[in-house]
Amino acid sequence: DQQVKQNSPSLSVQEGRISILNCDYTNSMFDYFLWYKKYPAEGPTFLISISSIKDKNEDGRFTVFLNKSAKHLSLHIVPSQPGDSAVYFCAANDNFNKFYFGSGTKLNVKP
Amino acid sequence: DSGVTQTPKHLITATGQRVTLRCSPRSGDLSVYWYQQSLDQGLQFLIQYYNGEERAKGNILERFSAQQFPDLHSELNLSSLELGDSALYFCASSASGGADTQYFGPGTRLTVL
Repeated sequence: DQQVKQNSPSLSVQEGRISILNCDYTNSMFDYFLWYKKYPAEGPTFLISISSIKDKNEDGRFTVFLNKSAKHLSLHIVPSQPGDSAVYFCAANDNFNKFYFGSGTKLNVKP
Repeated sequence: DSGVTQTPKHLITATGQRVTLRCSPRSGDLSVYWYQQSLDQGLQFLIQYYNGEERAKGNILERFSAQQFPDLHSELNLSSLELGDSALYFCASSASGGADTQYFGPGTRLTVL
């Protein structure tokens, strides 16, 4: 049972434009959400997180939005750069300290 | 470089065999997590240890076991291997094991033939 879903396996955007990656979850007990970026042949690296008490968190070009009523979060990258091309995973943490990851979205930023 | 090391980088073995994957966390981190990533799948959480004790268990098969040693390194043991166990196995560490940022190692690619 997939509790965290990333329904878009891939996304292609032009350099300089906005990239929006989406993530849906089913468990209302999730209280902490994270985005990770993964390059080929490397482990995921942490990008940005958000607590369930917030609806937005910003770090430079990266902003995560959380809509608890819709059980939806999104990652906005503005402006997108070719170096942002990677697989992006969203993850959620529950009260029992378990982490649930989505299947990832492969972002391709075209120069 | 995340500071988390995993050995070996690649492992090729046969069905029915047993292997051990090793992980050294970042200096100072007390918590270690193990994940499995099969082809084109997301990361599946297997198990978490905090300061030597098991803290959380995910979708870990009974044929798999793990432990964290006093020096905080961890080992994941996979036995009676099946073809479907072929995957990338990631270890991650965090400072305290709560909703902390996890730092991932480069992974061990296991191929079962």
